[in-house]
Amino acid sequence: EVQLVESGGGLVQPGGSLRLSCAASGFNFSPYSMNWVRQAPGKGLEWVSYITGDARRIYYADSVKGRFTISRDNANRASYLQMNSLRAEDTAVYYCARSVEGAFDVWGQGTMVTVSS
Amino acid sequence: EIVLTQSPGTLSLSPGERATLTCRASQSINSRYLAWYQQKPGQAARLLIYGASSRATGIPDRFSGSGSGTEFTLTINRLEPEDFAVYYCQQYGNSPPFSFGQGTKLEI
Repeated sequence: EVQLVESGGGLVQPGGSLRLSCAASGFNFSPYSMNWVRQAPGKGLEWVSYITGDARRIYYADSVKGRFTISRDNANRASYLQMNSLRAEDTAVYYCARSVEGAFDVWGQGTMVTVSS
Repeated sequence: EIVLTQSPGTLSLSPGERATLTCRASQSINSRYLAWYQQKPGQAARLLIYGASSRATGIPDRFSGSGSGTEFTLTINRLEPEDFAVYYCQQYGNSPPFSFGQGTKLEI
């Protein structure tokens, strides 16, 4: 079964850091581009970051540029999102999603990040 | 950045009826790069349509997508109870940023 499983969410104080992980299974991970998408409570979907299969191209939404870092480990079939200088407005469910011809065809179940003092 | 505006915000229909959801882009989009997703409460989004009109694997044929340029439509024929959810359009161009519309809630 093709699956993505996120982990690493939790409660963190403003200004703090958190590292999210996305574990892939059921498919050959390395050729696929991966994304992180977030959803604030009661709000819509917001694309956060993108990384190609070879990690040569990386992009970020303006709202997280300079604070978040996406990476991947193809040998361990995982993608990561390092989040620094967290703000209250970063509170959201964070999903990882696989790209196929650009569309996001497989999503994880999400991990909740709460930024609060 | 391309802004996607979905209408209506909420659509109230009954099972068996047809739903028509619209997504308008702030600038022309290559139709290869327009997708629709369905999201139910407490769940991740699910890909329905990609390339504006191609159904994703396992999606029933009552879901169809159309459009070009700046206006795209998701049509759901013969609504089933499980179709009541929030629907998002997304453009995923040649390179990011990849923007989503604000969503249309389809309710009974």
